[in-house]
Amino acid sequence: EAQVTQNPRYLITVTGKKLTVTCSQNMNHEYMSWYRQDPGLGLRQIYYSMNVEVTDKGDVPEGYKVSRKEKRNFPLILESPSPNQTSLYFCASSLSTGELFFGEGSRLTVL
Amino acid sequence: DAKTTQPNSMESNEEEPVHLPCNHSTISGTDYIHWYRQLPSQGPEYVIHGLTSNVNNRMASLAIAEDRKSSTLILHRATLRDAAVYYCIRTGPTGTASKLTFGTGTRLQVTL
Repeated sequence: EAQVTQNPRYLITVTGKKLTVTCSQNMNHEYMSWYRQDPGLGLRQIYYSMNVEVTDKGDVPEGYKVSRKEKRNFPLILESPSPNQTSLYFCASSLSTGELFFGEGSRLTVL
Repeated sequence: DAKTTQPNSMESNEEEPVHLPCNHSTISGTDYIHWYRQLPSQGPEYVIHGLTSNVNNRMASLAIAEDRKSSTLILHRATLRDAAVYYCIRTGPTGTASKLTFGTGTRLQVTL
């Protein structure tokens, strides 16, 4: 089954404790991206990647890092999480000219 | 500026057609228009996309203005399952996914 898989789906952590949210797709898509969703602010893009070893900033990249060492994986790294990064996170992938497929979301709470 | 403008919310009766507008007045000649929707407690899902011509698929129709500064997503017969937030976005030249701006979308309420 074609899918985008995010882990963990739910996480509660504390300020400053590094964490990684993984994203994996099995559709051989070139493009992958991360979004955060907050009440009243809609979906905002954090980072995107056009292909392996090619990443670029979206609209809200501060406090986040990404890497794209393999085509199927695009982890989101929070080196020192803060409470303002409490949010619902979505990963998505697509062919370079196609529809986006989204994961089910990861709800992160930073205390 | 890759922004689009949509109304915050709309209401429809079940089995009535729904026209969801989107303004993209600064669109460039090669940008595509994509529509996604997000059902409660789910990730967004693709609905339809187009460049210049009107497009139809099993979910909806997309009508693009001749000057391409606006478009309308048409749900021909709304059902309760269509209640969702609908996002209109612009993609890069030739439909290439790059930096994407979703905004807050239109929350569609469907009533009996």
